[in-house]
Amino acid sequence: ILNVEQSPQSLHVQEGDSTNFTCSFPSSNFYALHWYRWETAKSPEALFVMTLNGDEKKKGRISATLNTKEGYSYLYIKGSQPEDSATYLCAFRPSGYSTLTFGKGTMLLVSP
Amino acid sequence: DSGVTQTPKHLITATGQRVTLRCSPRSGDLSVYWYQQSLDQGLQFLIQYYNGEERAKGNILERFSAQQFPDLHSELNLSSLELGDSALYFCASSVAPGQGHEQYFGPGTRLTVT
Repeated sequence: ILNVEQSPQSLHVQEGDSTNFTCSFPSSNFYALHWYRWETAKSPEALFVMTLNGDEKKKGRISATLNTKEGYSYLYIKGSQPEDSATYLCAFRPSGYSTLTFGKGTMLLVSP
Repeated sequence: DSGVTQTPKHLITATGQRVTLRCSPRSGDLSVYWYQQSLDQGLQFLIQYYNGEERAKGNILERFSAQQFPDLHSELNLSSLELGDSALYFCASSVAPGQGHEQYFGPGTRLTVT
């Protein structure tokens, strides 16, 4: 059983705050790390697919980093907006497999 | 809109019954994945099909089965339903099961077993 942990479980910030969350995954047999954003009553939406140690990806105010040697990835949101409120999921894909193991997510609430 | 469709959106049924959930992947995607989201659980992988053939199996109960048809749509069959099967069932699709391809999720089917 693969262990993918996300922290914190939930986060409440004010509009304009910058925030970050962590995804921990097995450091061996790494192939890819996916980040998804899941808004209430919608389906999970892909944010990033990260495959290389040291990868840093950015989409607007959201960025992510990857450390495969120590088994963690950070997701950063700069200047949070109420529309960023969602659950952010990470998913680990080991080498030799095409399936994803998801963490339980970090639920972000951004208040105006 | 991811391009993945799922029907029905909601399903309410009684214990012991059997239901079929349907998924149509994005145009061009050959691989379909089924996930279950229960209360307090993360997305649990159930099963994957690629171009009509079963590719990988996760925590899928023996009471559950799936298939992918020649037109690439997929169905998840849940039988002898129990209260604990109440969950959100997602289908996702990807181009191919390799190279870090993103999985695109459908809107889900919410199953309530009473």
